[in-house]
Amino acid sequence: DVKVTQSSRYLVKRTGEKVFLECVQDMDHENMFWYRQDPGLGLRLIYFSYDVKMKEKGDIPEGYSVSREKKERFSLILESASTNQTSMYLCASSLWDRERYGYTFGSGTRLTVV
Amino acid sequence: AQTVTQSQPEMSVQEAETVTLSCTYDTSESDYYLFWYKQPPSRQMILVIRQEAYKQQNATENRFSVNFQKAAKSFSLKISDSQLGDAAMYFCAYRSADGGTSYGKLTFGQGTILTVHP
Repeated sequence: DVKVTQSSRYLVKRTGEKVFLECVQDMDHENMFWYRQDPGLGLRLIYFSYDVKMKEKGDIPEGYSVSREKKERFSLILESASTNQTSMYLCASSLWDRERYGYTFGSGTRLTVV
Repeated sequence: AQTVTQSQPEMSVQEAETVTLSCTYDTSESDYYLFWYKQPPSRQMILVIRQEAYKQQNATENRFSVNFQKAAKSFSLKISDSQLGDAAMYFCAYRSADGGTSYGKLTFGQGTILTVHP
């Protein structure tokens, strides 16, 4: 079965810490995405990548960066965590040429910044 | 930019009954894809159904069907014979067919929490 794996299900970090959220997919997908999910706001796109070492800003990139050194791995980085970054973070991947299909999602990381 | 709106934060249905979840979207594009995703308490997002905008026929997947009204920019999900396992958060999503610039980005609505009563 195809998989998108997020390294942590729950994470608690302190304000000001540098936080890494890891995502790995085993489907050889070109595209990878990071979303955050908040009640009443749905899922909002933070960053995405369509190839190794390539990245594009989504709708809410402020306070975040990303890294994609290998095709299967896409990392989200909170340079200096703040309480307003407490949220659920979802990683997803998709094939480049399968536009009419949706994503494969990870099961999310619930991050609490205290 | 495209927007997706789900105006029902919560819905409930009796087991075996039918429920309809609403979704509207705004776009200037003529070709696109629409999706409904289900997120149960396990958090794993599951694709329920998809619709290609160029197809007039409404998509159907077993007990799930959509009512796609392109002119009205409406995309509702109908769940027939509701089951306890249908209880979840449901998200409507839009994806441009222009792969060259969008890279397959999905735009999501706010979500609707569906409760199924036994």
